[in-house]
Amino acid sequence: AQSVTQLGSHVSVSEGALVLLRCNYSSSVPPYLFWYVQYPNQGLQLLLKYTSAATLVKGINGFEAEFKKSETSFHLTKPSAHMSDAAEYFCAVSDQGTGFQKLVFGTGTRLLVSP
Amino acid sequence: DAGVTQSPTHLIKTRGQQVTLRCSPKSGHDTVSWYQQALGQGPQFIFQYYEEEERQRGNFPDRFSGHQFPNYSSELNVNALLLGDSALYLCASSSPGRHNEQFFGPGTRLTVL
Repeated sequence: AQSVTQLGSHVSVSEGALVLLRCNYSSSVPPYLFWYVQYPNQGLQLLLKYTSAATLVKGINGFEAEFKKSETSFHLTKPSAHMSDAAEYFCAVSDQGTGFQKLVFGTGTRLLVSP
Repeated sequence: DAGVTQSPTHLIKTRGQQVTLRCSPKSGHDTVSWYQQALGQGPQFIFQYYEEEERQRGNFPDRFSGHQFPNYSSELNVNALLLGDSALYLCASSSPGRHNEQFFGPGTRLTVL
């Protein structure tokens, strides 16, 4: 069975500081990995995805994540936080392949950005 | 190009009632998945529909059922509502052969009193 663990339910940073949100996965097969962002009272928006090509993945809004198989990690980073980055972030895992897939989500990390 | 749309936005029901939630997929998408997101939790997979058939199901009781129509839109039905069914219900759609790249709608907030 696949699972995702997000370390830290809340992360606080100052505007302009580095953002680091942690995600570790467990999967018996090669995974695809995703980061989604959720703003208050909204659905999920895909930030970036790892699909076994490059291990360093760049996404929208200046975010990027690195797949590290040896550490079973897929941490999300952004060099400089902006107030508009304040939101809930979810890491998710699925099987590779083109068959029917479901996403298994972590419990989320709320990012707080202070001026 | 409209994204995934869901209706209604909010819904209040009482225990024991039945509810139907609706979803229209993104243009070009043929597969619809439903997720339940309880307060403070990550989304949990309920089931997935393709070609009007349920293809995968998560760990949810039979009170949760669905349907997909020929135009790819979908309904989620929940019978005999419990207080614990209160959650944000998210619909996601995906295109042929890319089922792990899912695009989410804004969700329906269900409150059971």
